[in-house]
Amino acid sequence: DSGVTQTPKHLITATGQRVTLRCSPRSGDLSVYWYQQSLDQGLQFLIQYYNGEERAKGNILERFSAQQFPDLHSELNLSSLELGDSALYFCASSVGLGYEQYFGPGTRLTVT
Amino acid sequence: DAKTTQPPSMDCAEGRAANLPCNHSTISGNEYVYWYRQIHSQGPQYIIHGLKNNETNEMASLIITEDRKSSTLILPHATLRDTAVYYCIALANAGGTSYGKLTFGQGTILTVHP
Repeated sequence: DSGVTQTPKHLITATGQRVTLRCSPRSGDLSVYWYQQSLDQGLQFLIQYYNGEERAKGNILERFSAQQFPDLHSELNLSSLELGDSALYFCASSVGLGYEQYFGPGTRLTVT
Repeated sequence: DAKTTQPPSMDCAEGRAANLPCNHSTISGNEYVYWYRQIHSQGPQYIIHGLKNNETNEMASLIITEDRKSSTLILPHATLRDTAVYYCIALANAGGTSYGKLTFGQGTILTVHP
């Protein structure tokens, strides 16, 4: 158990819908990262937050957004969902920038 | 971040040491070598990291060559539960510009046989 929690574990929704994925970092960790893992793209970095501020963006679509709240939990919002958004979404946390990251169990999103 | 190259797959007998190589010939002075692994569809798991000295923890040992152009992750007594995809990643420290985002390549699929 990494100490990072993600909810829900599984999510099935229809195209065009909007979903919110939630992540609680390890106690004491200030940085949160989101990654997407699909069969054809592998593990890809989406976005990073540090102490509530966005610090780095990767291959995140404009339909996706995220935020980190004052209690340091983070949410990833995915809207206008398409079939290709079906993937595993992982959250990770670290004590600070550039430190080892601890990953949650992931949320499996299926868009039908 | 420097590109890393790993063999696509390796096999190891249970109880034997698994030695996973990684080439990172363009690594810069402030980039660490990190190793993570992912057991089928689970979240990636941090294993170990190092800059230039060899490192050991309860999971593995990391041997980095003197010129830092390659490294080897050693699992001293592999078990069936070590079957996973292993990723070698070069990453600048907190003072760099990468802000810690991990770039995962294809990794090495390690299969441990009974």
